[in-house]
Amino acid sequence: EPEVTQTPSHQVTQMGQEVILRCVPISNHLYFYWYRQILGQKVEFLVSFYNNEISEKSEIFDDQFSVERPDGSNFTLKIRSTKLEDSAMYFCASHGPSGKHNEQFFGPGTRLTVL
Amino acid sequence: AQSVSQHNHHVILSEAASLELGCNYSYGGTVNLFWYVQYPGQHLQLLLKYFSGDPLVKGIKGFEAEFIKSKFSFNLRKPSVQWSDTAEYFCAVTGGGSQGNLIFGKGTKLSVKP
Repeated sequence: EPEVTQTPSHQVTQMGQEVILRCVPISNHLYFYWYRQILGQKVEFLVSFYNNEISEKSEIFDDQFSVERPDGSNFTLKIRSTKLEDSAMYFCASHGPSGKHNEQFFGPGTRLTVL
Repeated sequence: AQSVSQHNHHVILSEAASLELGCNYSYGGTVNLFWYVQYPGQHLQLLLKYFSGDPLVKGIKGFEAEFIKSKFSFNLRKPSVQWSDTAEYFCAVTGGGSQGNLIFGKGTKLSVKP
């Protein structure tokens, strides 16, 4: 069964450093998302991406964040200058072409620890 | 803005007990409702979803949920839980013209004692 994959599973970085979190969505999917979950808190939407552009973003997704689909396969989330409060699990999700409200398939997450 | 409330933070049950996890959402328009489950060490998986039609929806592993529009609720139920149901359960909603991004509740951790 096809699945969403994410790398790395755990990333440790120093405050102020740039990180890139990688996701490979399911191959025929067209809608891509990033969510994050700070420890003990709810899963929060960050950004959605469709047709090679951001379609929606939350207040959390400020200028420090960017997303890219560089090669038609990977979907990346970049944090330019990490802050302590960026420590969280970051989940990538995707869904197929049959409508924007269909089931989203989630990756296993990347745990980001900012020291 | 839409929001989702899950009233129980942690539920502890014995095997064979019945389960009901509460979920309420705040949005007056058309919504799509989901329950996701996260087993220990695994990623979020869809249990069931409601888009339209019969308000009682059946999902995988014997779970069901009932959409009650007048109460803005979408409670998850299972008549008899098993130890393997130990997991965290998340209610989520989309709607309001969004591009499909999910608004999640805080989650309910279910622990089933063997």
